[in-house]
Amino acid sequence: RKEVEQDPGPFNVPEGATVAFNCTYSNSASQSFFWYRQDCRKEPKLLMSVYSSGNEDGRFTAQLNRASQYISLLIRDSKLSDSATYLCVLTGGYNKLIFGAGTRLAVHP
Amino acid sequence: ETGVTQTPRHLVMGMTNKKSLKCEQHLGHNAMYWYKQSAKKPLELMFVYNFKEQTENNSVPSRFSPECPNSSHLFLHLHTLQPEDSALYLCASSHPAGGSSSYEQYFGPGTRLTVT
Repeated sequence: RKEVEQDPGPFNVPEGATVAFNCTYSNSASQSFFWYRQDCRKEPKLLMSVYSSGNEDGRFTAQLNRASQYISLLIRDSKLSDSATYLCVLTGGYNKLIFGAGTRLAVHP
Repeated sequence: ETGVTQTPRHLVMGMTNKKSLKCEQHLGHNAMYWYKQSAKKPLELMFVYNFKEQTENNSVPSRFSPECPNSSHLFLHLHTLQPEDSALYLCASSHPAGGSSSYEQYFGPGTRLTVT
């Protein structure tokens, strides 16, 4: 079983749509969770951290369910500029991050 | 210059060549990382350095040799690579583990390596 599993997509949605991604993980000892965004042929960049209580940053909402070992990302009112690959990331030990392969989002006019 | 920089951005090398990738961070971090990203695969952690000391070698073949002369610079020396080593090599930096923001890693733009 992969350490981090994500639906590769692509998710093709129109502008203004709401889209949600899920991610499951196998390491129950992971302490911290993140969503990174990676544009085509660019480096990954931190989008947001994910907390047990859930957190929101503008149009983006992240949730963590430790019991079921999954995290989610909800994007409301999608913009063309949201088109990217979204990477589910969690900690795997001292200074170590484990990355999922990513979910590709394509927002069209 | 700010952030994390990597040179070269693109590299084509033969299997018998020796080359080096360079990474430099201007963020005052003390942890640096090398990752490999192949098409449609997750980022694979290769090496971790904390305060210039290697703290992780993720079973990387010896044809990849890292060097960290100081907390701001990281090199990846390459020799006798194979075509399957062709990938995007990303450098990242962060504060060391233990702080509240220790796991936020900042990535460089990467070196796209092609081994012929």
